[in-house]
Amino acid sequence: EPEVTQTPSHQVTQMGQEVILRCVPISNHLYFYWYRQILGQKVEFLVSFYNNEISEKSEIFDDQFSVERPDGSNFTLKIRSTKLEDSAMYFCASGGGSYEQYFGPGTRLTVT
Amino acid sequence: GENVEQHPSTLSVQEGDSAVIKCTYSDSASNYFPWYKQELGKRPQLIIDIRSNVGEKKDQRIAVTLNKTAKHFSLHITETQPEDSAVYFCAAGSNYQLIWGAGTKLIIKP
Repeated sequence: EPEVTQTPSHQVTQMGQEVILRCVPISNHLYFYWYRQILGQKVEFLVSFYNNEISEKSEIFDDQFSVERPDGSNFTLKIRSTKLEDSAMYFCASGGGSYEQYFGPGTRLTVT
Repeated sequence: GENVEQHPSTLSVQEGDSAVIKCTYSDSASNYFPWYKQELGKRPQLIIDIRSNVGEKKDQRIAVTLNKTAKHFSLHITETQPEDSAVYFCAAGSNYQLIWGAGTKLIIKP
């Protein structure tokens, strides 16, 4: 069964540095999402992406964040200048258009 | 903004008994209500979902009910088993955005 994959599984970075988190959605899916989950807390919506543009974004998704689908398979989340409070698990998800969203294994981002 | 409230935060039930988790949402435009199960250190996994044109849906031991007028929906797990122990999240929204509840830690006592 196809799955969403994410790399790296764990990223450690210093405050102020840029990070790029990578995702490979399920191949025939059209909707792509990024979520984050601070340890022990709920999943928070960041952004959704459809038809090569952002569909919705939350208040968390400020100017420090950007998303891109550089080719036909990858979907990336960039954080330009990381802060300590960006430390979290970041999940990518994809959907085929029938509302269901399938999650990747996550990237644990640690900002020091 | 949109908000989803989930109760209880922790639920402990005897193996074999039923468990019920409840959520309320604020955005009347929400038309999709999934439930996710998350085991420790793992990704959320979709276990069941319901759309706004349906009042109830069942899949083996799991069922979900939706009351659009009252803006609440519930997850029912019958004949609970040890492998049901996990954190369960409800969510509400659309194809473009899901707002999540805070989660319910379900503990199945042997």
